[in-house]
Amino acid sequence: GNSVTQMEGPVTLSEEAFLTINCTYTATGYPSLFWYVQYPGEGLQLLLKATKADDKGSNKGFEATYRKETTSFHLEKGSVQVSDSAVYFCALSATPGANNLFFGTGTRLTVIP
Amino acid sequence: NAGVTQTPKFQVLKTGQSMTLQCAQDMNHEYMSWYRQDPGMGLRLIHYSVGAGITDQGEVPNGYNVSRSTTEDFPLRLLSAAPSQTSVYFCASSKKGRNTEAFFGQGTRLTVV
Repeated sequence: GNSVTQMEGPVTLSEEAFLTINCTYTATGYPSLFWYVQYPGEGLQLLLKATKADDKGSNKGFEATYRKETTSFHLEKGSVQVSDSAVYFCALSATPGANNLFFGTGTRLTVIP
Repeated sequence: NAGVTQTPKFQVLKTGQSMTLQCAQDMNHEYMSWYRQDPGMGLRLIHYSVGAGITDQGEVPNGYNVSRSTTEDFPLRLLSAAPSQTSVYFCASSKKGRNTEAFFGQGTRLTVV
């Protein structure tokens, strides 16, 4: 079946620190991989995605590379800001013709000045 | 542009009551879905639809009903509420296909007492 295992939180970092949030997956077939972010009181919004092996998704300084050999899609950012404080969800989609998402448990990031 | 609109934002129900969570999107997306978000479990898919008149079950469909009579609307019905249905519910929409960006509503926080 399909599942996503995500690094447990919460994570607290100082501004300008390096961020890594680990994500590994199990899937039937060849999934697409996503990182979604949820800011306080809001719904989820797409941060970045990768649709095939070795693709790198990037947005707002965040990056993640689709690694088929290690079934991983780790999220990284070189220098976090206070405004990056949010909950981050790793997700996969593998259903033909439908955008059914399987999510990890989410990682809460707090960045302190 | 409104995007995905969910109502209500908060609701308290008594065990055994029924209610409908509303979801509407104005982006002409074929695909719509409902998720529930529980602590420590991420988001899980309840029901989804790939177009008007077509619905299917997701990971946790028991106790919920859906219909899709128009492209814009995808209501979620709780037939007889149970405390186990206390959760935050998110509606999402996207273009068809598993590589596309999902747009989420702001969520409905439901408490069943």
